[in-house]
Amino acid sequence: ETGVTQSPTHLIKTRGQQVTLRCSSQSGHNTVSWYQQALGQGPQFIFQYYREEENGRGNFPPRFSGLQFPNYSSELNVNALELDDSALYLCASSLGLAEDTQYFGPGTRLTVL
Amino acid sequence: AQKVTQAQTEISVVEKEDVTLDCVYETRDTTYYLFWYKQPPSGELVFLIRRNSFDEQNEISGRYSWNFQKSTSSFNFTITASQVVDSAVYFCALSEAPHRGTYKYIFGTGTRLKVLA
Repeated sequence: ETGVTQSPTHLIKTRGQQVTLRCSSQSGHNTVSWYQQALGQGPQFIFQYYREEENGRGNFPPRFSGLQFPNYSSELNVNALELDDSALYLCASSLGLAEDTQYFGPGTRLTVL
Repeated sequence: AQKVTQAQTEISVVEKEDVTLDCVYETRDTTYYLFWYKQPPSGELVFLIRRNSFDEQNEISGRYSWNFQKSTSSFNFTITASQVVDSAVYFCALSEAPHRGTYKYIFGTGTRLKVLA
């Protein structure tokens, strides 16, 4: 158990819709990172939040956005869903430094039809 | 640029055999961190080990051992006397020093290990 939880577990949406995925980090962890893992691939970095501010972003379009809240929860929002957005979305929390281990949640599997 | 290569897509072994999973990385930084994660069918990434670039000592934890060689930019993972429960996808990941302030991991594509009874 990593202490990182995500909801929902599974989600089915249709193309063009919007979706919000949620994550609850370990208490005391100031950094949350979000990753997209397509089937058969390694996780790809979407963005990172540190103390409620975006701290870095991967190669994802602006329709991927996020929020981090003071209570160690965070959200990943995806607008105008596309079929290729179907993937496992993982959040990871860490204390905040590169040497700190990121602890991952169980993920949300999103299917876009 | 950062890159992590796991050339072995899938490995099958019979229970009790030893197996080594290869990881080769590329980075321009002198300070960096390497990780191994296990991803069972449930999907959650399970942390196995973290190693910083200044610590080249090999590590053993039960049936698991890791061989870090900076000269060849490799961080290989060996499971001794494999068990069926070791069946999973294993990912190697690289994190560079926080000089840019973003602490993202670069993951390899993973190696699927199947341990047959």
